[in-house]
Amino acid sequence: ELKVEQNPLFLSMQEGKNYTIYCNYSTTSDRLYWYRQDPGKSLESLFVLLSNGAVKQEGRLMASLDTKARLSTLHITAAVHDLSATYFCAVDIYTGTASKLTFGTGTRLQVTL
Amino acid sequence: EPEVTQTPSHQVTQMGQEVILRCVPISNHLYFYWYRQILGQKVEFLVSFYNNEISEKSEIFDDQFSVERPDGSNFTLKIRSTKLEDSAMYFCASSGIGQSYFGPGTRLTVL
Repeated sequence: ELKVEQNPLFLSMQEGKNYTIYCNYSTTSDRLYWYRQDPGKSLESLFVLLSNGAVKQEGRLMASLDTKARLSTLHITAAVHDLSATYFCAVDIYTGTASKLTFGTGTRLQVTL
Repeated sequence: EPEVTQTPSHQVTQMGQEVILRCVPISNHLYFYWYRQILGQKVEFLVSFYNNEISEKSEIFDDQFSVERPDGSNFTLKIRSTKLEDSAMYFCASSGIGQSYFGPGTRLTVL
């Protein structure tokens, strides 16, 4: 059974600081996603990582993938309050007829002023 | 930009009642999914649907659950006899050959 673990589960950081969220998964994957979720809202896709060594950046967020280590990271640079949300990684396994996302536990990020 | 839509946004029901959650996937997508998220927890896969049949389902998706694509545009999730533990946010998603796009969710509250 595929296991996807994130850490930390909760992260409180000050504006302007840097931090990294980690996502470990237990089996080979076809794709890895990072999503953002605001309270009571849906899942907003941030990044799709397709291959080993993939790195993607958007604004203050940068995601990377190491398929050999089965590890993805989401790095936050110079955090701002607007980044406060819950971040999920999700591993995509293509089953032959459809994909199936297995989500991590989520990291609740709180950026304080 | 095309998007997945879901209705209703919030459904309150009594335990034991049947509910139908509705979704309109993105029009040229072929794969459809339901996920659920119990409050404060992670998102869990329920079922995938392709070519008018279930491709895969999770352990959560027991005999109380069913899915249907009744008319070529809607995709529904039916829960026959709701339990308190079915209270959750239910997300519909659709995909082509790439990533899945999620709808805004239906919050189901079972009293």
